[in-house]
Amino acid sequence: DQQVKQNSPSLSVQEGRISILNCDYTNSMFDYFLWYKKYPAEGPTFLISISSIKDKNEDGRFTVFLNKSAKHLSLHIVPSQPGDSAVYFCAVVTGANNLFFGTGTRLTVIP
Amino acid sequence: DGGITQSPKYLFRKEGQNVTLSCEQNLNHDAMYWYRQDPGQGLRLIYYSQIVNDFQKGDIAEGYSVSREKKESFPLTVTSAQKNPTAFYLCASSTETDIGTGELFFGEGSRLTVL
Repeated sequence: DQQVKQNSPSLSVQEGRISILNCDYTNSMFDYFLWYKKYPAEGPTFLISISSIKDKNEDGRFTVFLNKSAKHLSLHIVPSQPGDSAVYFCAVVTGANNLFFGTGTRLTVIP
Repeated sequence: DGGITQSPKYLFRKEGQNVTLSCEQNLNHDAMYWYRQDPGQGLRLIYYSQIVNDFQKGDIAEGYSVSREKKESFPLTVTSAQKNPTAFYLCASSTETDIGTGELFFGEGSRLTVL
């Protein structure tokens, strides 16, 4: 059973607009929620995280929102830039320090 | 510069052969991990190690083996028992503190193709 689901395999957004990437999870006991960014033929890089005790965390153009009642995590990128084009993975950390990744969403920012 | 180095970047293997992927880090991180990525799937954990001379199986350990003789090194052997070894393999590391927050530092990956 997948612990983390990213139902949109791809997303295209115009440069300067907002990109919203979504992620649903199954277990209400997760401690941390993260987003990673991955370019082709490279390893993922950590982007932003949020603790389960918060509902929002902001870092520059990137904001992560956590809706615990809906078991939903989202990443907002404002404004979107062509360099943001990549695959974005959401991930969750369990109490036992296990890390589960979603299947990824490929974001394309159109200049 | 500090980081994680994986080698080789590309590797071809004949069926029935074992192959070892190298992973070296100079970040002084305690924990190291091996993940596998297949098209359309998330990263899946193969093995991880939180201290030297100790390692644990992940979700898909069958057909793989690891060793952790030094803090800096965590090589992965893909054995002939692995039924579908063609994939992109990623090594990662983290500090002891970051184990609980999920913040991993990844290498650039090794793409293994079985002919």
